[in-house]
Amino acid sequence: DAGVIQSPRHEVTEMGQEVTLRCKPISGHDYLFWYRQTMMRGLELLIYFNNNVPIDDSGMPEDRFSAKMPNASFSTLKIQPSEPRDSAVYFCASSLAPSLGDGTEAFFGQGTRLTVV
Amino acid sequence: GEDVEQSLFLSVREGDSSVINCTYTDSSSTYLYWYKQEPGAGLQLLTYIFSNMDMKQDQRLTVLLNKKDKHLSLRIADTQTGDSAIYFCAESRRYGGATNKLIFGTGTLLAVQP
Repeated sequence: DAGVIQSPRHEVTEMGQEVTLRCKPISGHDYLFWYRQTMMRGLELLIYFNNNVPIDDSGMPEDRFSAKMPNASFSTLKIQPSEPRDSAVYFCASSLAPSLGDGTEAFFGQGTRLTVV
Repeated sequence: GEDVEQSLFLSVREGDSSVINCTYTDSSSTYLYWYKQEPGAGLQLLTYIFSNMDMKQDQRLTVLLNKKDKHLSLRIADTQTGDSAIYFCAESRRYGGATNKLIFGTGTLLAVQP
């Protein structure tokens, strides 16, 4: 397996535009996580899915953010409209188990660096 | 990361030992993790320790856990230039039912000088 694949690797957009980030988890992993990484706030969990169903979206900053998982091999994170403060690196990760509290490893993609100008 | 604290930067010389420290908040965390992030890459699990252990050794890596003080450390022996990266500690925090969240620290940038 090629690992968790994210696209695009870099995205530069103007304020107010819609941005869509994409993720392909590792085949067979039932759990998918979206994280945001900034200098100020570090790594924040935005949302995670189990078997394509959103389980916890309490980390989604506001209604401008939405995430979907239409099937087991694809997820999107959408920001509409985008703002400069959304600039960050967005990571997708997948794992076999949800809890990550039993030593299960979460496998991370390489991230999408988003810059909103 | 919320409430998981690390020093921001550590510089060592090649061949020396590195010690990266972390304090966490949830005494009920069952597992604590160390992840490594190389430039331009995602996070990669290095090692983890179960909360009923005091120490875990894995080749050049030694993890020490002081549960009383909620202190976790990662020691890298014979540090190499390839170890230069950002190191994140993370605690698994239970939030409901059988589900845990991974809460990451702010990360420590390790710079290894040749």
